Amino acid sequence: ILNVEQSPQSLHVQEGDSTNFTCSFPSSNFYALHWYRWETAKSPEALFVMTLNGDEKKKGRISATLNTKEGYSYLYIKGSQPEDSATYLCAPRFGNEKLTFGTGTRLTIIP
Amino acid sequence: SAVISQKPSRDICQRGTSLTIQCQVDSQVTMMFWYRQQPGQSLTLIATANQGSEATYESGFVIDKFPISRPNLTFSTLTVSNMSPEDSSIYLCSVEGQGYEQFFGPGTRLTVL
Repeated sequence: ILNVEQSPQSLHVQEGDSTNFTCSFPSSNFYALHWYRWETAKSPEALFVMTLNGDEKKKGRISATLNTKEGYSYLYIKGSQPEDSATYLCAPRFGNEKLTFGTGTRLTIIP
Repeated sequence: SAVISQKPSRDICQRGTSLTIQCQVDSQVTMMFWYRQQPGQSLTLIATANQGSEATYESGFVIDKFPISRPNLTFSTLTVSNMSPEDSSIYLCSVEGQGYEQFFGPGTRLTVL
């Protein structure tokens, strides 16, 4: 069983503040890392797919970094807005096999 | 990207009954995936459904409990059989796009009493 951990499990952030959270995973046989945003009653939305050590990706106010050698990725949100409230899931892929999901970080933005 | 719809969006069922969840994709895809998320747990792959062949189940999941149909390249069903409260979960179908991306339906929220 591959251990994918996300921390913190939940987070409350004041509107306008920036925040970040972590995904850690086994570094051996790494292939790719996916980040998803999942709002209640909606489809999980793909944010990033990252493959290379040192990768940095950005989409608006959200960015992510990847360290495949030590097995972690950070997701950053700058200037949080209420619409950022969601569960953020990371899912590494090992050896081009299926995705293995973490339990997610539930983010709540306080207006 | 792919647009995926699921029916029903939610249901409340009695113990011992079965529920069939439908998944429709707006384009033809080779593989469709079925996941579930139990409360407080991570998204877990149940099985991979290929058109024209039997589904491939992950460890801990069996065909008798979760029969899957894949009659064509845009549609699949997952049945949750002989349900118990432990089957209360969100069930999602998913397809793979280009560039390693995976797209998900909106999910079916199942509560078993």
